[in-house]
Amino acid sequence: DAKTTQPPSMDCAEGRAANLPCNHSTISGNEYVYWYRQIHSQGPQYIIHGLKNNETNEMASLIITEDRKSSTLILPHATLRDTAVYYCIVREGRGSTLGRLYFGRGTQLTVWP
Amino acid sequence: DAGITQSPRHKVTETGTPVTLRCHQTENHRYMYWYRQDPGHGLRLIHYSYGVKDTDKGEVSDGYSVSRSKTEDFLLTLESATSSQTSVYFCAISEGAGTEAFFGQGTRLTVV
Repeated sequence: DAKTTQPPSMDCAEGRAANLPCNHSTISGNEYVYWYRQIHSQGPQYIIHGLKNNETNEMASLIITEDRKSSTLILPHATLRDTAVYYCIVREGRGSTLGRLYFGRGTQLTVWP
Repeated sequence: DAGITQSPRHKVTETGTPVTLRCHQTENHRYMYWYRQDPGHGLRLIHYSYGVKDTDKGEVSDGYSVSRSKTEDFLLTLESATSSQTSVYFCAISEGAGTEAFFGQGTRLTVV
């Protein structure tokens, strides 16, 4: 079962930061927070993941609260091409023997000009 | 892009016929997954594999079987297709159980 809660939709002006929240109040100590996005009809695309420290890569930043019960994905300068469904997922990390990814409904982000 | 190829990309089949979808990877990753995606349900895990000949069920495995006889190929079989199996099917791979997964472009299956 998906262990995350996300708002069904958000919008953002082009060039502004998009902040996508996710609640994962039942996350356990060995579970990572992963973010994927899916642009219409394409396969999901990996964005970023983290355990407890904030993470940044060329696509986005991930801010995880100290209690790890929620996180925020930040797209610093949203473009029209960032319009997609964004999925927040909790998943066991390295050393896991399961590796299953369970997707929830995600957040439809619409970036407008 | 990760080297994942799904075939066929589109298929229309009749109810009651067997169908096999293929996922081929060139990354030598240990884990492979099959998902289906339907409106209102998002992505749901069907089966996954954690090595050659090692597979396990996901959350919606009824009516599906899988096989993995070599690292690079993961086959999904619908023994007798039903209209409820009309969906978009995605394959994914990951190097390890806790590492990021990469997805293929999907197979659109229509059962009439």
